[in-house]
Amino acid sequence: GDSVTQMEGPVTLSEEAFLTINCTYTATGYPSLFWYVQYPGEGLQLLLKATKADDKGSNKGFEATYRKETTSFHLEKGSVQVSDSAVYFCALRGNTPLVFGKGTRLSVIA
Amino acid sequence: EAGVAQSPRYKIIEKRQSVAFWCNPISGHATLYWYQQILGQGPKLLIQFQNNGVVDDSQLPKDRFSAERLKGVDSTLKIQPAKLEDSAVYLCASSLRGLALSQETQYFGPGTRLLVL
Repeated sequence: GDSVTQMEGPVTLSEEAFLTINCTYTATGYPSLFWYVQYPGEGLQLLLKATKADDKGSNKGFEATYRKETTSFHLEKGSVQVSDSAVYFCALRGNTPLVFGKGTRLSVIA
Repeated sequence: EAGVAQSPRYKIIEKRQSVAFWCNPISGHATLYWYQQILGQGPKLLIQFQNNGVVDDSQLPKDRFSAERLKGVDSTLKIQPAKLEDSAVYLCASSLRGLALSQETQYFGPGTRLLVL
């Protein structure tokens, strides 16, 4: 079945550091790919999405490119802030309901 | 625009007791989802409604979990009797149409955190 694998955390970075959170997927067909973020004490929020190969999703300085050849959707940000501290979930949706990875906790220290 | 509302936010019960969670989706959203998020894991779909009909409940433990969306708007998820392993955050989400639209965004509520002692 469809599945998502993302890098294990926690990830701790200093403010203004470069962030990469790896995400790879297994799916039949052509799924849509998503990154959701969960801030402390809050629900999941959609961060960005891409619906077809080579699409780049972007929001709040975060980017991810749908790479069909490597079945990846890595999340990147050039300069993280303390306010980016949260848990990040990679997810896909194809012919199945939304399938999530286990989440990666990011802590950014000043 | 108001988001997805859930209540209560927290609940502590003893095993074998029953508990119910309520969700009110975004106005006009036809599709409603209930997810279970166990600590350290990603959310797992329990049940999906399209209006007041069930689309997918294949991962719902039907011996103890039940859900309804009688008027196609708000929904209730019930656990009876609860087990220790039901301790989790229960998330409700909604989307505009849902069916066969893989790129459609789901909007999540804040969740109900359940602790079973």
